[in-house]
Amino acid sequence: EDQVTQSPEALRLQEGESSSLNCSYTVSGLRGLFWYRQDPGKGPEFLFTLYSAGEEKEKERLKATLTKKESFLHITAPKPEDSATYLCAVQATDSWGKLQFGAGTQVVVTP
Amino acid sequence: DGGITQSPKYLFRKEGQNVTLSCEQNLNHDAMYWYRQDPGQGLRLIYYSQIVNDFQKGDIAEGYSVSREKKESFPLTVTSAQKNPTAFYLCASGTDRGTTEAFFGQGTRLTVV
Repeated sequence: EDQVTQSPEALRLQEGESSSLNCSYTVSGLRGLFWYRQDPGKGPEFLFTLYSAGEEKEKERLKATLTKKESFLHITAPKPEDSATYLCAVQATDSWGKLQFGAGTQVVVTP
Repeated sequence: DGGITQSPKYLFRKEGQNVTLSCEQNLNHDAMYWYRQDPGQGLRLIYYSQIVNDFQKGDIAEGYSVSREKKESFPLTVTSAQKNPTAFYLCASGTDRGTTEAFFGQGTRLTVV
């Protein structure tokens, strides 16, 4: 069974204090790994798709990396507006279109 | 503007009632999905549809029903058989080409009163 585990559950950062979020996954064959950002009471906003080990993608202060067993979302010099819950999801090669989500990491960045 | 529209934003249901949540997209996507989100848990798939007039059960379909009569629309009915319907419901859509990035609506919060 496909599984996605995110850690930590919550992260409190000072503005400018860089950190990383972890997404560990177990899947028979990986078609893609997705990162989303979700603000309270809103729908998830798509950030990145990673397809194969060694791949990296960047957007502003966020950088996502992928290995064969996990993905990291690095937040460099975060700002208060980076406060959100970050969700990781995987799509297996044998599960058309279906995403398996982790429970998310809630990030709070204080000034 | 292209996007996914869910309505209503908030919905209150009395026990024993059926309620229908609306989801419309103008992204010309073939695939549409319904997820449920509960505090501290990941999103769980209720139903999905790859094409008009076809849909499949997800992981937690019991107590829910859907229809897909138009490409743009994928309404979800929460029936009285759903024992714990209070949750945040999210609709998403995506293309059916290789890896499917799903794009989400803003959600409907359903509360049983």
